[in-house]
Amino acid sequence: AQTVTQSQPEMSVQEAETVTLSCTYDTSESDYYLFWYKQPPSRQMILVIRQEAYKQQNATENRFSVNFQKAAKSFSLKISDSQLGDAAMYFCALGGISGGGADGLTFGKGTHLIIQP
Amino acid sequence: EAGVAQSPRYKIIEKRQSVAFWCNPISGHATLYWYQQILGQGPKLLIQFQNNGVVDDSQLPKDRFSAERLKGVDSTLKIQPAKLEDSAVYLCASSLVRSSYEQYFGPGTRLTVT
Repeated sequence: AQTVTQSQPEMSVQEAETVTLSCTYDTSESDYYLFWYKQPPSRQMILVIRQEAYKQQNATENRFSVNFQKAAKSFSLKISDSQLGDAAMYFCALGGISGGGADGLTFGKGTHLIIQP
Repeated sequence: EAGVAQSPRYKIIEKRQSVAFWCNPISGHATLYWYQQILGQGPKLLIQFQNNGVVDDSQLPKDRFSAERLKGVDSTLKIQPAKLEDSAVYLCASSLVRSSYEQYFGPGTRLTVT
């Protein structure tokens, strides 16, 4: 069974500063995808960033970047220059590669990110 | 491009009543997912469809939950009879092909069972 663990229920950061959200996971697969999703109060899940496990290079999307450590099964999200609009729940998720079994995502419990002005 | 549509957005029912949720995926998306998100937790996959066939329903409580996608487009998730612990947000997602790579989520239905 796949598991995803987010050990920080809540994080707080000053606007314009940098914050890192932690995630660890477990899977028996050698190839998989890892994701960070953002869920604002509207409940809409929004994809922030995605990492293919077979790629050694860490993914980046503007102010968002990840630190992917495959051997340690660690996948942290760094948000630089935090903005008020970044305030939300952030979920780490694990998904399988297509062509195999089911493709549903396994989510962690989430981290509530607070941005202080 | 229109996103994933879900209705209703909110529903309040009493325990032992029945309820149904509707999802319309993005046009052309063959794969459809239903997730249950209990307050304070991440979403949990209930069922995955590929066109009108079920790929995975291993976490669906089949004694009370059912889902269908008869024509391979819209889907309905039903709970009968509802229990207090079914209070949650029910999220529908779709993807073009069978892959976790790019799933698009709807706004969800918040169910409260009293």
